[in-house]
Amino acid sequence: DSGVTQTPKHLITATGQRVTLRCSPRSGDLSVYWYQQSLDQGLQFLIQYYNGEERAKGNILERFSAQQFPDLHSELNLSSLELGDSALYFCASSGGDRLYEQYFGPGTRLTVT
Amino acid sequence: EDKVVQSPLSLVVHEGDTVTLNCSYEVTNFRSLLWYKQEKKAPTFLFMLTSSGIEKKSGRLSSILDKKELFSILNITATQTGDSAVYLCAVGTYNNNDMRFGAGTRLTVKP
Repeated sequence: DSGVTQTPKHLITATGQRVTLRCSPRSGDLSVYWYQQSLDQGLQFLIQYYNGEERAKGNILERFSAQQFPDLHSELNLSSLELGDSALYFCASSGGDRLYEQYFGPGTRLTVT
Repeated sequence: EDKVVQSPLSLVVHEGDTVTLNCSYEVTNFRSLLWYKQEKKAPTFLFMLTSSGIEKKSGRLSSILDKKELFSILNITATQTGDSAVYLCAVGTYNNNDMRFGAGTRLTVKP
């Protein structure tokens, strides 16, 4: 158990809908990262927040957005969902002086029908 | 465009064998290279490498980075069936702190 929690574990929704994925980092970790993993694209870095502020951005679509709250939990919002958004979404956290030692949560499996 | 290439894509060995997994990269503003092990679900962190030529070791696993030739290797000695997993290499850059993952090497260790 990495100490990172994600909810929900599974989500099934229809095209065009909007969903919110939630992540709670390990206690004391200030950074939260979001990743998308699909069969054809592998693991893709989406976005990083550090202590409430956006720190890095990867291949995140404009339909997706994220934020990190004062209690350091983070939410990833996915809107106007398409079939191709079906994937496993991971959250990871890191902190202290080991910013790149990331600990991954169990993931949320999103299925868009 | 930044690239991270892992080889081989898959590998089948028997318990006790030693394996070497490769990760080569072409990125601008290299910051660090990380190795992860992914079994059924979430990746777990193995190593972070930032300096060339310094070996990182953890039990039967070790890794080294060559910043001149732009590659890293992950060695696993005396493999066990529990080492079966996908091993991911990721490269972090100073370009907006981006992180680029390779496609992974699927290792299967047979008893």
